[in-house]
Amino acid sequence: KAGVTQTPRYLIKTRGQQVTLSCSPISGHRSVSWYQQTPGQGLQFLFEYFSETQRNKGNFPGRFSGRQFSNSRSEMNVSTLELGDSALYLCASSGRGHEQFFGPGTRLTVL
Amino acid sequence: DQQVKQNSPSLSVQEGRISILNCDYTNSMFDYFLWYKKYPAEGPTFLISISSIKDKNEDGRFTVFLNKSAKHLSLHIVPSQPGDSAVYFCAASAMIYNQGGKLIFGQGTELSVKP
Repeated sequence: KAGVTQTPRYLIKTRGQQVTLSCSPISGHRSVSWYQQTPGQGLQFLFEYFSETQRNKGNFPGRFSGRQFSNSRSEMNVSTLELGDSALYLCASSGRGHEQFFGPGTRLTVL
Repeated sequence: DQQVKQNSPSLSVQEGRISILNCDYTNSMFDYFLWYKKYPAEGPTFLISISSIKDKNEDGRFTVFLNKSAKHLSLHIVPSQPGDSAVYFCAASAMIYNQGGKLIFGQGTELSVKP
């Protein structure tokens, strides 16, 4: 089975812009979770989608949003980018088991 | 409020010896625990997990122990190999509250296995 894929792998944006990141889960997995990793805050949960519905949400401002499509692919969007949004954004999928399997991440740099 | 803590930022072990990585948690709702290995600029790789109904789970060289009364878990790697050098994260979730998709991570422990 192919693993979790994320596109793009690298992204450079300027403050005030918006960005959309994409995640394709492992085939058959219906849950997709998003995480942000920064040196100061570590790995932090953003949100989880299951069957096109947001099931769990972390403590991030409303500028961070996401959605899931009928084929379980997911996107996350960050609007009005700030310098502090520079991070590695990770997507993970899970199926019937409780383990989450992560993609390689998207490295976002905000200038 | 850090609900999952890994108090040792780094650990250095000799090849062939045992590596023991520790993790503490504060939230009694957590009922599922996982360990991940991570290299820089890559996504975490799942290693092993344990449910709160068990106190031990073993997979090859990796064993996870859970002490619920102490809210403590540990990952044992035996024997340690240079390829095990990476950052190890423990994570917890509250499956019973339908929050399995929400992992709370510790800050990580960087393991260095020296030949």
